[in-house]
Amino acid sequence: ELKVEQNPLFLSMQEGKNYTIYCNYSTTSDRLYWYRQDPGKSLESLFVLLSNGAVKQEGRLMASLDTKARLSTLHITAAVHDLSATYFCAVEDRSNYKLTFGKGTLLTVNP
Amino acid sequence: SAVISQKPSRDICQRGTSLTIQCQVDSQVTMMFWYRQQPGQSLTLIATANQGSEATYESGFVIDKFPISRPNLTFSTLTVSNMSPEDSSIYLCSVDYRGGLNTEAFFGQGTRLTVV
Repeated sequence: ELKVEQNPLFLSMQEGKNYTIYCNYSTTSDRLYWYRQDPGKSLESLFVLLSNGAVKQEGRLMASLDTKARLSTLHITAAVHDLSATYFCAVEDRSNYKLTFGKGTLLTVNP
Repeated sequence: SAVISQKPSRDICQRGTSLTIQCQVDSQVTMMFWYRQQPGQSLTLIATANQGSEATYESGFVIDKFPISRPNLTFSTLTVSNMSPEDSSIYLCSVDYRGGLNTEAFFGQGTRLTVV
């Protein structure tokens, strides 16, 4: 059974600071997703990581994937208030395409 | 990419009643999934909607409570039956879209269900 561990679950940051969210998973996978969710909204796809060593960047967010370590990171650079949201990683089971989600990280960026 | 239309976007229902949620995709897709997100929680897979056969349910979810239809490759419904307040959640439809070399999961906008 695929297990996904995401940490931290809660993150309070000052604007302008950097931080990293971690996503560990238990079995081999070909695809890892990062999503953003604002309160009361659906999921917004941020990144799809497909291969070992993949790195993708969009604005102040950068995601990477190490399939050997079964670890993905979401790095936040110079945080701004607009980044406040819940961030989920999700790992795809290569045998059936089902997604297993981490518990999510509630990010609050304070002025 | 795939565009998913999910209806209704929200509803408030009386306990003991049932609600059917619709998911329409603008492309033919093989894999469709239904997820539940309880308040303050992460997403949990309810079932895989199989075209032309019964849905495959995850542990803790049963067909009598969450009947699913998948009449074709672009449409599915999820019914939440005999609702109780514990069913108050966001329900999301997802597809695994394969376009050329790219494969990606896409989500509908979700249905926010409140049971009173």
